[in-house]
Amino acid sequence: GAGVSQTPSNKVTEKGKYVELRCDPISGHTALYWYRQSLGQGPEFLIYFQGTGAADDSGLPNDRFFAVRPEGSVSTLKIQRTERGDSAVYLCASSLGYGSNEQFFGPGTRLTVL
Amino acid sequence: AQTVTQSQPEMSVQEAETVTLSCTYDTSESDYYLFWYKQPPSRQMILVIRQEAYKQQNATENRFSVNFQKAAKSFSLKISDSQLGDAAMYFCASHEYNFNKFYFGSGTKLNVKP
Repeated sequence: GAGVSQTPSNKVTEKGKYVELRCDPISGHTALYWYRQSLGQGPEFLIYFQGTGAADDSGLPNDRFFAVRPEGSVSTLKIQRTERGDSAVYLCASSLGYGSNEQFFGPGTRLTVL
Repeated sequence: AQTVTQSQPEMSVQEAETVTLSCTYDTSESDYYLFWYKQPPSRQMILVIRQEAYKQQNATENRFSVNFQKAAKSFSLKISDSQLGDAAMYFCASHEYNFNKFYFGSGTKLNVKP
């Protein structure tokens, strides 16, 4: 199964809670991207990893959002003190790395904050 | 940074007919790529077609082709012989080579009528 996988596929939480969203990229892909897609909108860039380091985190909306990729493979997007406005689909994508322009997307995690 | 604009929130086409989806972008970069992605209700983003900015020839993929007007910063998608399975959200996107970032438009919902 060579595609990008994301877990969970759906997450319902209460306002103020902490959530973690996981992304498993395609093996060998060094670049990993997180996007947030609100209803009726296009994906909005959050953060981009090249290997283990965050090459660009300029899209993270505030300090409640944090992402890690400790071993250069799996990545976790962490949201603290969730708010209703955080409700969206969170998409992950991976690519071969710098210079590669073909992204492969996962199916996304739909986060609902009640 | 780049901006990508899709001015058609929704389009409809009769099965077997041709439809064109519009996209404009703004960039100061000289090296970039442009994409059209399809997103069905399953949320899985699927690459439809890709265009290198330095190539003058318009990309084609079977029933899908683009009209790339570099000077006008326009990148439209033409779908010929539309099929029911083409119904989905379509997103135009750009990739900045130097920053390895992707930017998406707000999408066009395509309805295909039998």
